[in-house]
Amino acid sequence: DQQVKQNSPSLSVQEGRISILNCDYTNSMFDYFLWYKKYPAEGPTFLISISSIKDKNEDGRFTVFLNKSAKHLSLHIVPSQPGDSAVYFCAASLPLNYGGSQGNLIFGKGTKLSVKP
Amino acid sequence: EAGVAQSPRYKIIEKRQSVAFWCNPISGHATLYWYQQILGQGPKLLIQFQNNGVVDDSQLPKDRFSAERLKGVDSTLKIQPAKLEDSAVYLCASRPGTGRLGTQYFGPGTRLLVL
Repeated sequence: DQQVKQNSPSLSVQEGRISILNCDYTNSMFDYFLWYKKYPAEGPTFLISISSIKDKNEDGRFTVFLNKSAKHLSLHIVPSQPGDSAVYFCAASLPLNYGGSQGNLIFGKGTKLSVKP
Repeated sequence: EAGVAQSPRYKIIEKRQSVAFWCNPISGHATLYWYQQILGQGPKLLIQFQNNGVVDDSQLPKDRFSAERLKGVDSTLKIQPAKLEDSAVYLCASRPGTGRLGTQYFGPGTRLLVL
């Protein structure tokens, strides 16, 4: 049973436009969320995170929005650039010691973003 | 600062054979993780070390997988014997400190193909 879901396997966007990547989760006890970016043949790299006490976090072109009531978060990239083409993973973490949790990350399946020039 | 190093980058073996992967984390990072990423899936945690102690190995198939982290630095992950379903990318990640939060830095991974 997947606790973190990225229902869109792929997304194609024109350069300069907004990219919106979505992520849904099932466990309301998740309290920390992250986005990772992965290029082919490389490991994932951290992009941005958000705590459940916030509903928005911004870092340059990247903004993450959290809607706790809907158990949904999204990553906005504005403006999109060809170098943003990669697979984006959403990840979530439970509080330490909740249900035996060690606070480790649970990843979604990823969304492949293609930004066309 | 050097990143997380992993070797080999690629490995092809036949089922029932053994294989070992090596990881050298970023210097000074106390926490080390091994993940398995099957094609089309996200990374799945296999084991977490803090220094040289195991914190979480609840998802490690212990009948065939083993891991160790000697002296709290390098780590090895072994599969013996391998099955077809073990074909995946094995990612090592490290993080400074032992708290829950903090960025995990991933290595490039070892791509394993079991025939």
